[in-house]
Amino acid sequence: DIQMTQSPSSLSASVGDRVTITCRASQGISNYLAWYQQKPGKVPKLLTYAASTLQSGVPSRFSGSGSGTDFTLTISSLQPEDVATYYCQTYNSAPFTFGPGTKVDIK
Amino acid sequence: EVQLLESGGGLVQPGGSLRLSCAASGFTFSSYAMTWVRQAPGKGLEWVSIISGNGYTTHYADSVKGRFSISRDNSKNTLYLQMNSLRAEDTAVYYCAKRSCGSPSCPFDYWGQGTLVTVSS
Repeated sequence: DIQMTQSPSSLSASVGDRVTITCRASQGISNYLAWYQQKPGKVPKLLTYAASTLQSGVPSRFSGSGSGTDFTLTISSLQPEDVATYYCQTYNSAPFTFGPGTKVDIK
Repeated sequence: EVQLLESGGGLVQPGGSLRLSCAASGFTFSSYAMTWVRQAPGKGLEWVSIISGNGYTTHYADSVKGRFSISRDNSKNTLYLQMNSLRAEDTAVYYCAKRSCGSPSCPFDYWGQGTLVTVSS
């Protein structure tokens, strides 16, 4: 089975900062990688899929990149409403493993 | 508007059983694979199971294989998760979610609000 890792596990940044989260797959997954945002007490929300395609309605400050085993989620200018835990997930074949999550808060 | 509404959670003793339901509306239910994802208190997301749109194909996480069974009734637009031989480590909020397209290679775009399952004596 494919294992997903994320780094860092948590980060604290200032409003307006550029934030980058990394996700690594234990074997190549092409571009079958999605990022989800889960705000405290809320339901997960799909941010990007196919590694770099922004889901409809998601602010353009979010972007994804990568292919194969290494992927990144970037928030170009961190906003207070971006405080959340971010999860990557591979979705092309079962098991649809999630990464352990990266908790983002405001400094 | 797509809506997914889970029900059936609650407190159950170790070794017991529970059946979760997910009522779907706002889309052609039979055209989309559906999945269950769980989240233990204070922990991350864990994928549990998936079923194809026609119900013929299912997959399970190793942690629930042989104990949980996913099914669907397309005439009722409802997804189910039968959970048997429950353990304390199955305690979690259980979410149902839909694939974003009819292809096997699509992420999960709509999620329900979740239902809490607590396994404790």
